[in-house]
Amino acid sequence: GQQVMQIPQYQHVQEGEDFTTYCNSSTTLSNIQWYKQRPGGHPVFLIQLVKSGEVKKQKRLTFQFGEAKKNSSLHITATQTTDVGTYFCAGPHGSSNTGKLIFGQGTTLQVKP
Amino acid sequence: AAGVIQSPRHLIKEKRETATLKCYPIPRHDTVYWYQQGPGQDPQFLISFYEKMQSDKGSIPDRFSAQQFSDYHSELNMSSLELGDSALYFCASSLGRENTIYFGEGSWLTVV
Repeated sequence: GQQVMQIPQYQHVQEGEDFTTYCNSSTTLSNIQWYKQRPGGHPVFLIQLVKSGEVKKQKRLTFQFGEAKKNSSLHITATQTTDVGTYFCAGPHGSSNTGKLIFGQGTTLQVKP
Repeated sequence: AAGVIQSPRHLIKEKRETATLKCYPIPRHDTVYWYQQGPGQDPQFLISFYEKMQSDKGSIPDRFSAQQFSDYHSELNMSSLELGDSALYFCASSLGRENTIYFGEGSWLTVV
């Protein structure tokens, strides 16, 4: 079945270092969404990418959607302790428009001050 | 801004008991989703409703059922609870099925 894979599973960085998480889908996606979940919290929507090759920035966060619309990445520049959490990518299931999302396994980011 | 409201936030049940989780979507949102997240796992889709009709179904056990009511709130009913049902259950809502999905804070279910 459709799968969304994310690497790495865990990442420990020193505050100020950069961080990147990669997301790969087994199928072409109509869009990809990114969520952040703090420890003990709920997934919070960050962004949605729709176009092939799209790049979007939110302050220190840069999101990319691959040309083939099967992969995506999230890059954080100069991490801060407030960036701690698990970052999930998620894509729509199949070609239906029911809104059902398939999540990647997530990348848990730890930032050492 | 109003968010997705879930209740109860924490629930402890014994094996074979029944539990009901409630979800109140963001006002005017017509689509509700239920996800289950085990410890250290990613959210797994259970079921969704659009305009009070079941829209999609995922890995929801037959022991679970859900519905969306006329006021758009939704309830997830879980019967014959098993230890493996212990998880964080998220409700999420969106306006339409192709728009941003907003998650509630989740309901922690512990089965003992």
